[in-house]
Amino acid sequence: DADVTQTPRNRITKTGKRIMLECSQTKGHDRMYWYRQDPGLGLRLIYYSFDVKDINKGEISDGYSVSRQAQAKFSLSLESAIPNQTALYFCATSPDAMETQYFGPGTRLLVL
Amino acid sequence: SQKIEQNSEALNIQEGKTATLTCNYTNYSPAYLQWYRQDPGRGPVFLLLIRENEKEKRKERLKVTFDTTLKQSLFHITASQPADSATYLCALDRLGGNTPLVFGKGTRLSVIA
Repeated sequence: DADVTQTPRNRITKTGKRIMLECSQTKGHDRMYWYRQDPGLGLRLIYYSFDVKDINKGEISDGYSVSRQAQAKFSLSLESAIPNQTALYFCATSPDAMETQYFGPGTRLLVL
Repeated sequence: SQKIEQNSEALNIQEGKTATLTCNYTNYSPAYLQWYRQDPGRGPVFLLLIRENEKEKRKERLKVTFDTTLKQSLFHITASQPADSATYLCALDRLGGNTPLVFGKGTRLSVIA
């Protein structure tokens, strides 16, 4: 079984809809991250969490929110999706301050 | 402003040759730098980490150098194979340790048989 899983893997939604992307990990890591990847723009950090009680904004947090339900679970929500949130979304985990990251398989989101 | 740049968007080389990818950064003082491999539609996979006090790191056919004076890392794949074709990302910590990584946009490597 994969150490970092993301659901759903693909999602099509409409402008204005609320959507949640979920990430689960079995690696026992405290640190979890959400990124989006767009062609030509690379990976950009949306939110990160260093432990269950810690949530921090990344470089592009506007329009997104997160919830860290447990050490193993970190969810990303789009409260009111818009077309420029169409992207490939990745969850990642890391064990310590050296920040080697382990990525999930990604969620491809299309907002119409 | 802070920047991390991978100089080539794409690099094509012949099988068996050495591929060299470049990562330059500006206005960061990283404690370490990392390289990842990403295949199309998949998440990045960690390859190597090099600390600021290390000049060179090797793993099988991979070699990474880190020059904090030049603010540059070079990533080499020797005896390249078509299976090495992928996008390679460099990443560094934003504020010198214990901070999230910032990623370059990547270099897409194609190894031609």
